[in-house]
Amino acid sequence: QLQLQESGPGLVKPSETLSLTCTVSGGSISSSSYYWGWIRQPPGKGLEWIGSIYYSGSTYYNPSLKSRVTISVDTSKNQFSLKLSSVTAADTAVYYCARVYYDILTGQWGDYYYYYYMDVWGKGTTVTVSS
Amino acid sequence: QSVLTQPPSVSAAPGQKVTISCSGSSSNIGNNYVSWYQQLPGTAPKLLIYDNNKRPSGIPDRFSGSKSGTSATLGITGLQTGDEADYYCGTWDSSLSAGYAVFGGGTQLTVL
Repeated sequence: QLQLQESGPGLVKPSETLSLTCTVSGGSISSSSYYWGWIRQPPGKGLEWIGSIYYSGSTYYNPSLKSRVTISVDTSKNQFSLKLSSVTAADTAVYYCARVYYDILTGQWGDYYYYYYMDVWGKGTTVTVSS
Repeated sequence: QSVLTQPPSVSAAPGQKVTISCSGSSSNIGNNYVSWYQQLPGTAPKLLIYDNNKRPSGIPDRFSGSKSGTSATLGITGLQTGDEADYYCGTWDSSLSAGYAVFGGGTQLTVL
């Protein structure tokens, strides 16, 4: 059974870089058709997608966070990581990692239809930004 | 402000049916597949519906999904107190060259 576990500091100072790692167990991070993603949830608020990565290193990022986000993968450790720079109190949230199914269907006129959903989630880790 | 619009809350009595709407645009729901997530209090979200209307193994058929144009709907029949949770819709938005994933703001379901 596939399991994901987030790890990293629970407290980060303003202006510093938040770093989290997601360890995948019970399956390979190099599986085809699956990306690996990060999602966060500020206290009392909804879900916000941060970005996702394929085992080859291909990434997609939330446009509103792109300038501060780096997601990387280490296939030898079956892990992927998140770095968010120049954090502020607004980055305080529960951070989740998830397995992502991503695929593209090409229509008969050359248009594209995207499949994207998170089917396995970690339990989440709380990160507080405070001095 | 979420890209996808959901009602903040819905409520219904046990045993009844409820629907939760998710409204978007042609760049997201209109041309891509929708998923739904259930988040019970204090827990991580769980996939409830994918590809507009498919249920993962283990999800009861009381839960259903549909899509029409730029809107999607989650339906729950035979409501149980254990269904009280926050529900989120999600999809891909292909308005930018790179594309990105988006969620609705979430709907809190109360089973009266």
